[in-house]
Amino acid sequence: EAGVTQSPTHLIKTRGQQVTLRCSPISGHTSVYWYQQALGLGLQFLLWYDEGEERNRGNFPPRFSGRQFPNYSSELNVNALELEDSALYLCASSLRINYGYTFGSGTRLTVV
Amino acid sequence: DQQVKQNSPSLSVQEGRISILNCDYTNSMFDYFLWYKKYPAEGPTFLISISSIKDKNEDGRFTVFLNKSAKHLSLHIVPSQPGDSAVYFCAALNTGNQFYFGTGTSLTVIP
Repeated sequence: EAGVTQSPTHLIKTRGQQVTLRCSPISGHTSVYWYQQALGLGLQFLLWYDEGEERNRGNFPPRFSGRQFPNYSSELNVNALELEDSALYLCASSLRINYGYTFGSGTRLTVV
Repeated sequence: DQQVKQNSPSLSVQEGRISILNCDYTNSMFDYFLWYKKYPAEGPTFLISISSIKDKNEDGRFTVFLNKSAKHLSLHIVPSQPGDSAVYFCAALNTGNQFYFGTGTSLTVIP
């Protein structure tokens, strides 16, 4: 069974640009979560999608947004990139009532 | 605002001995706690969890203890093995299904 897949694995962008990160959950999982792990910080919760709806959002500015598609895959969009957006972005999926989250390997975003 | 804290960034233990990883939290409304293990270049993998109505949960070599009055949880690994060397994150979950993660403790098990 394929795990959670994220693309791309690495990305370099210039300050002010926009970026889209993608996540495919484990088959059958309806919930997708996005996290940011910046250097020296713990995992910071970004967004939670379930059944195509945004269910919860972390303490991030509106330029961080996303969506979930009918096949439960998800995109994370970041507009007007700033240097401090450089981080590892992790996606996780779970069944709605299962706390056994499975994480992808992440997308390493570098903003220069 | 770090609501979940792991105050020890690193820990070294001899193979066969017990590893104890600690985690403190500030929000008494958290109702579920989890431990994740992360190898370099990989995403975290779920290890073990505990509900706030329990004070202990055991799964093989891994046991998680929860002390609600002290807002403290710990992960015990017995016996420790070299393959356990990784970064361990504790996480707390609130009723909004929002995770709060600690910054991680890097465990090194010395053969």
